[in-house]
Amino acid sequence: QMQLQESGPGLVKPSETLSLSCSVSGGSISSTTSYWGWIRQPPGKGLEWIASIYYSGTTHTYYNPSFKSRVTMSVDSSKNQFSLKLNSVTAADTAVYYCARSTGKYWGGNWFDPWGQGTLVTGSS
Amino acid sequence: QSVLTQPPSVSGAPGQRVTISCTGSSSNIGAGYDVHWYQQVPGTAPKLLIYENTNRPSGVPDRFSGSKSGTSASLAITGLQAEDEADYYCQSYDTSLSGSRIFGGGTKLTVL
Repeated sequence: QMQLQESGPGLVKPSETLSLSCSVSGGSISSTTSYWGWIRQPPGKGLEWIASIYYSGTTHTYYNPSFKSRVTMSVDSSKNQFSLKLNSVTAADTAVYYCARSTGKYWGGNWFDPWGQGTLVTGSS
Repeated sequence: QSVLTQPPSVSGAPGQRVTISCTGSSSNIGAGYDVHWYQQVPGTAPKLLIYENTNRPSGVPDRFSGSKSGTSASLAITGLQAEDEADYYCQSYDTSLSGSRIFGGGTKLTVL
């Protein structure tokens, strides 16, 4: 059974870069049927998709336009991990960050399953 | 303001049936894109409940069902149980937002 686990600092100073990794077990990061994504949830609020990446022979990245200028995703296939970097952090980036696999018959129809347990990142000095 | 609109809250007594709506537009649900539903118990990660409008992953009780029509989708829960108390989110895809995955604002289900 596939499992995902986020890791990274829980506190990021304003204007600095948030860096998170997601380790995948029970499946390959190079799967032809999987995309890998990040979703965040500010305290007491709803879910917001940040970005996704496809890594199987070729790499495609997809970013939420709201984050596009600040976000980068990448894959480390040797570790079966993918990562997120979000620069110029502010207090508004305080949220629980989830990593998740997405799959489906086509990119537009993908759903997220499974999800990591989430990690709280606070943007504060 | 979410692109997909859900009621902030719904409630029902044990054993009753409740529905949660998810209203979109011609650039997402109305364009034919599938809707998926997640259940989030407070303090835990979201869990896939319904995918591709009507399909249940293995392990999800058949008390949960999904439907889609036009620019909207719905999640129905029959035989309400105390353990169903959670937040529920719909998710789809929007062509006007450069390939964005979009979520509804979430609905808090209270079992009375």
